Amino acid sequence: NAGVTQTPKFRILKIGQSMTLQCTQDMNHNYMYWYRQDPGMGLKLIYYSVGAGITDKGEVPNGYNVSRSTTEDFPLRLELAAPSQTSVYFCASRLSPGQGGSEQFFGPGTRLTVL
Amino acid sequence: GNSVTQMEGPVTLSEEAFLTINCTYTATGYPSLFWYVQYPGEGLQLLLKATKADDKGSNKGFEATYRKETTSFHLEKGSVQVSDSAVYFCALSDNKGGSEKLVFGKGMKLTVNP
Repeated sequence: NAGVTQTPKFRILKIGQSMTLQCTQDMNHNYMYWYRQDPGMGLKLIYYSVGAGITDKGEVPNGYNVSRSTTEDFPLRLELAAPSQTSVYFCASRLSPGQGGSEQFFGPGTRLTVL
Repeated sequence: GNSVTQMEGPVTLSEEAFLTINCTYTATGYPSLFWYVQYPGEGLQLLLKATKADDKGSNKGFEATYRKETTSFHLEKGSVQVSDSAVYFCALSDNKGGSEKLVFGKGMKLTVNP
């Protein structure tokens, strides 16, 4: 199993540009998450999904969009990049409680800089 | 809402020193508690967890006990190694809206010198 994979690893955007951060997991997990990690801070939840076709907002959703057309993929879209979105982005997944899971598995992260 | 407060660093220790990282939480109900570790340049990995009061999680020489009476989940290790240098996050599970999301503390950076 590759686990949770994210692309790209690094990206520099100009203000106003858009991009999609990719996230894929091969563990057949229903639940997937996007977090951002700012320097000296813990992770904040942006969006989450409890299954294909179902998404919902987390604590800091403004400026982002997500979709979940398959169980494996959960892309995060930035439409109009702003300097405040400079951060490290982590995707995570887990089994649903009904499947007996509690641990979230994290990808390696995408470091995004908006200039 | 639910929250986690943990000891902030950075902290520098010598090899074989004793480590304690304090973590307290505020939550409704009985969340599961976790310690995650982030090695340089990597994503987070689960270090240990506890799902109910008085449970002790342990892994790689680290231990933490779920203390409901003090709402704490302090991480300890008797003798740290250079390879333990990392950022440590305390977290709790929050099922608000059915999300089963994690609420994290701010993290503590540990450096262990030989």
